Amino acid sequence: DGGITQSPKYLFRKEGQNVTLSCEQNLNHDAMYWYRQDPGQGLRLIYYSQIVNDFQKGDIAEGYSVSREKKESFPLTVTSAQKNPTAFYLCASSKGTTRNEKLFFGSGTQLSVL
Amino acid sequence: AQSVAQPEDQVNVAEGNPLTVKCTYSVSGNPYLFWYVQYPNRGLQFLLKYITGDNLVKGSYGFEAEFNKSQTSFHLKKPSALVSDSALYFCAVRDPLMNRDDKIIFGKGTRLHILP
Repeated sequence: DGGITQSPKYLFRKEGQNVTLSCEQNLNHDAMYWYRQDPGQGLRLIYYSQIVNDFQKGDIAEGYSVSREKKESFPLTVTSAQKNPTAFYLCASSKGTTRNEKLFFGSGTQLSVL
Repeated sequence: AQSVAQPEDQVNVAEGNPLTVKCTYSVSGNPYLFWYVQYPNRGLQFLLKYITGDNLVKGSYGFEAEFNKSQTSFHLKKPSALVSDSALYFCAVRDPLMNRDDKIIFGKGTRLHILP
């Protein structure tokens, strides 16, 4: 959606396994975000990055890790420390970091535990 | 603390009737307010935003929203609903006085069903 590509669309994790969700954008946006969506709970922020090689924890960062080595890419790793990883994961970006900017979202990755 | 509430989990409207999806907020300063729509198994799409100025904001797909400062509300409206409007709608708020740039808060979402 809107120049943000998330893959895979569906992902299954085995017990004790780390898995990585991909997020790529071709919008030349500076800021990127990862949200977790659970039914009836809205969106919760996991991590965000305002510039390359820098990222900050959101509200629910425990059990997750990210990197921002390139402007276009912001992968999310769900580690074995995340005990309840089943959710719909959404990546988003915004042109800058001013507070009135809208977010552009990818189509999401549904992660399930085997 | 800033917050946003969508008091209705689900709203049912007959096709052709006007629709309203409610949103109230709480921030310390003047808010930045947003509406997003999510179709099944997809990401969110931006509909409209209020930053300053005219209280009635027009957005995509014929939607509009009215900012009411005294009632701290930002309800989403459309004069005539279409079946294709059926989706999950999220209200979001950002407090421009907050130092943390990540602090955009989303409501829990309201599922809109348009009945043919």
